[in-house]
Amino acid sequence: DIQMTQSPSTLSASVGDRVTITCRASQSISSWLAWYQQKPGKAPKLLIYKASSLESGVPSRFSGSGSGTEFTLTISSLQPDDFATYYCQQYNSYLWTFGQGTKVEIK
Amino acid sequence: QLQLQESGPGLVKPSETLSLTCTVSGGSISSSSYYWGWIRQPPGKGLEWIGSIYYSGSTYYNPSLKSRVTISVDTSKNQFSLKLSSVTAADTAVYYCARARSYDPPRGWGQGTLVTVSS
Repeated sequence: DIQMTQSPSTLSASVGDRVTITCRASQSISSWLAWYQQKPGKAPKLLIYKASSLESGVPSRFSGSGSGTEFTLTISSLQPDDFATYYCQQYNSYLWTFGQGTKVEIK
Repeated sequence: QLQLQESGPGLVKPSETLSLTCTVSGGSISSSSYYWGWIRQPPGKGLEWIGSIYYSGSTYYNPSLKSRVTISVDTSKNQFSLKLSSVTAADTAVYYCARARSYDPPRGWGQGTLVTVSS
């Protein structure tokens, strides 16, 4: 099965900062990668699919890039509502896997 | 608008079987090209995919849970279900149901239900 490794596990940043989170797959997943945002007590919210496609309704400050085994989620200018935990997920195969998560904290 | 709602016991004893149901509204569970899946999240930890069932009835399970998991569909009730046998405290988690189209990640998620394994 495909393993997904996110880094960093925790990230401290200030409002207005540019933030980048990395996700690595243990084998090529082409562009079959999604990014989710999760806040406490809530279900994950889809931000990015197919590595770089912005989900409808998601602010344009969120962007995704990468293919194969290396992927990034970038928040161009961190807003107060963006402090949350972010997960990558591969859906290249029928057997989905998630990264371990990156918590974005207030610096 | 698609809605998914998990239901089932919030407390299960060790060694017993955890059973949850996801009721789908605003869409048919028989719609072609959709996967219906279960994902869980232990308190304070990350997301773990448990398994999925395709509209055709094919099932796919996390290899680490495969021996204990069964996912099934009841088209007459527009529901799908999860059974996880021989549970331990490590199975304590919020359990989410979700829908995904082929070649898409899950978009529609339930709100989640906490299941605690304890005697």
